[in-house]
Amino acid sequence: GENVEQHPSTLSVQEGDSAVIKCTYSDSASNYFPWYKQELGKRPQLIIDIRSNVGEKKDQRIAVTLNKTAKHFSLHITETQPEDSAVYFCAASKTDKLIFGTGTRLQVFP
Amino acid sequence: SAVISQKPSRDICQRGTSLTIQCQVDSQVTMMFWYRQQPGQSLTLIATANQGSEATYESGFVIDKFPISRPNLTFSTLTVSNMSPEDSSIYLCSFDRSQETQYFGPGTRLLVL
Repeated sequence: GENVEQHPSTLSVQEGDSAVIKCTYSDSASNYFPWYKQELGKRPQLIIDIRSNVGEKKDQRIAVTLNKTAKHFSLHITETQPEDSAVYFCAASKTDKLIFGTGTRLQVFP
Repeated sequence: SAVISQKPSRDICQRGTSLTIQCQVDSQVTMMFWYRQQPGQSLTLIATANQGSEATYESGFVIDKFPISRPNLTFSTLTVSNMSPEDSSIYLCSFDRSQETQYFGPGTRLLVL
């Protein structure tokens, strides 16, 4: 079955810097890759997603890139703000079932 | 966008007992799912709740331990049976209206003593 690896497990950045989180997946048939943000004590919230027919997608300060050949995708957050502090999860899917990465705890220091 | 709710939001239970968690979506959705998130961990899919038929369980999860119902297109329940402290976790339901995008409920925080 699908396996998703996520790195790093923790990431600390200064406010205004960029943050990059990387995921790799094992099943080349996976075709949908969402990213979720989970604040402490709250539900995971979808922040951006990408499908396998697209190489890059951007939404304001957030972007996701996908390399199908290498089977990896990345989340890029620019101009980080303290409110970006949370745990971020990547996931991969091919048939509605989401397989999640292990999560990255992002801390943005003012 | 649809609103999804869960009841209870949290509970403390004694080992050996069972707890049923309810998940309600305010509009009809195609797919509903149940996940477990152990403390400080990622989300693990327990099962897909199929409307009108048995749930589809993932490896490591069985119907006797986690019976699921899905009587219609807006509602599902997950029962955690014969609980042990290892079942202490957050249980989340989600729905997928189309094209695989899933939205999560607020979760049920379960502590088993």
